[in-house]
Amino acid sequence: AQSVTQLDSHVSVSEGTPVLLRCNYSSSYSPSLFWYVQHPNKGLQLLLKYTSAATLVKGINGFEAEFKKSETSFHLTKPSAHMSDAAEYFCVVSGWQAGTALIFGKGTTLSVSS
Amino acid sequence: DAGVTQSPTHLIKTRGQHVTLRCSPISGHKSVSWYQQVLGQGPQFIFQYYEKEERGRGNFPDRFSARQFPNYSSELNVNALLLGDSALYLCASRGVGVGAYNSPLHFGNGTRLTVT
Repeated sequence: AQSVTQLDSHVSVSEGTPVLLRCNYSSSYSPSLFWYVQHPNKGLQLLLKYTSAATLVKGINGFEAEFKKSETSFHLTKPSAHMSDAAEYFCVVSGWQAGTALIFGKGTTLSVSS
Repeated sequence: DAGVTQSPTHLIKTRGQHVTLRCSPISGHKSVSWYQQVLGQGPQFIFQYYEKEERGRGNFPDRFSARQFPNYSSELNVNALLLGDSALYLCASRGVGVGAYNSPLHFGNGTRLTVT
């Protein structure tokens, strides 16, 4: 069975400081991993994806994530937070078979203060 | 290019009623999935359809049903609504083909259903 665990339900940072959102995954085979962002009253937007190519994945808006198989982690980072980054972030795992459902974590709320 | 579109955006229903939610995928996408997002939680998988056939079903009661049409659009139907069905219902589409298993889902903005 596959699952993801987002280790923090809420993260607060100041504008201009680094962001770290933590995610651990569990999968019986090589997973595809994603980070999605959801702004209030909006749908989900893909930030980045890992699909067994490079372990360091760069996404949109300056976000990146590193796949670490030995630690079963896929943490999301950004060097410098912006006020517009305040949103809900979801770590997601997908199986290798076509059509497999996405399994979402419970989400991390990122707050950015000025 | 138009993204995934869902209608209506908001809906208020009474317990026991029936509701139909609609979704149009991105042009060229043949796979449509439905997710339920209860306030404060991550989305939960309800259904996936590909080529008008159900390809996956999450842990939801038989009150939930869906179908996909020849133009790949989809409907989600919920019968005998309960207060607990209040949620944001998200539709997503995915391009299907070689390597599609690792292609991301593209989500619509959702339908906010309130059951009173």
